[in-house]
Amino acid sequence: AQSVTQPDIHITVSEGASLELRCNYSYGATPYLFWYVQSPGQGLQLLLKYFSGDTLVQGIKGFEAEFKRSQSSFNLRKPSVHWSDAAEYFCAVGSDSNYQLIWGAGTKLIIKP
Amino acid sequence: DTGVSQNPRHKITKRGQNVTFRCDPISEHNRLYWYRQTLGQGPEFLTYFQNEAQLEKSRLLSDRFSAERPKGSFSTLEIQRTEQGDSAMYLCASSLTVPQDGGYTFGSGTRLTVV
Repeated sequence: AQSVTQPDIHITVSEGASLELRCNYSYGATPYLFWYVQSPGQGLQLLLKYFSGDTLVQGIKGFEAEFKRSQSSFNLRKPSVHWSDAAEYFCAVGSDSNYQLIWGAGTKLIIKP
Repeated sequence: DTGVSQNPRHKITKRGQNVTFRCDPISEHNRLYWYRQTLGQGPEFLTYFQNEAQLEKSRLLSDRFSAERPKGSFSTLEIQRTEQGDSAMYLCASSLTVPQDGGYTFGSGTRLTVV
């Protein structure tokens, strides 16, 4: 079955510290991978996406993610978080033969001052 | 282009009433998607359009739900005889036929509360 797992429901990080949010997927086809961010009561903003090519992807707001096919992972990283990064982060997977995205349950990021 | 626009932002309705939401996608995007998101969960796919044609509906989309995209531009999602379990955020997204070209752009959603 197709699925996306974000093992951490919430993560607390001090401002200025580094961040890594985990995403693992189970998908039959070659995956397209996405990270979105959602602030409370808001829609989803695309942080970055991977379709093919370089497995290290740069996104907006200083985020990057690395696609590791052997581990079925697409972890999101940021070297130094800011208080404004506090939000919920969603990983999603799709493909060129599947128009719908499969989503993880999200990881809520809490920033300690 | 200002992105994907959804209206209303919030809707409170009594159980049993009908509600309709609107989505205006990015103008050059020919694919339009509806998702539903409940608290603490990721979005779940509801339905998708390629231009005006509704090509797929999830089993989540019961007979009380109907979606249209009459001219291949904006779309509406109607829920008839609302139930408390319909309370959720309804998200609309759009993309080009080849989503590699720009990915999927989401609107800010419509928050439905059924009381």
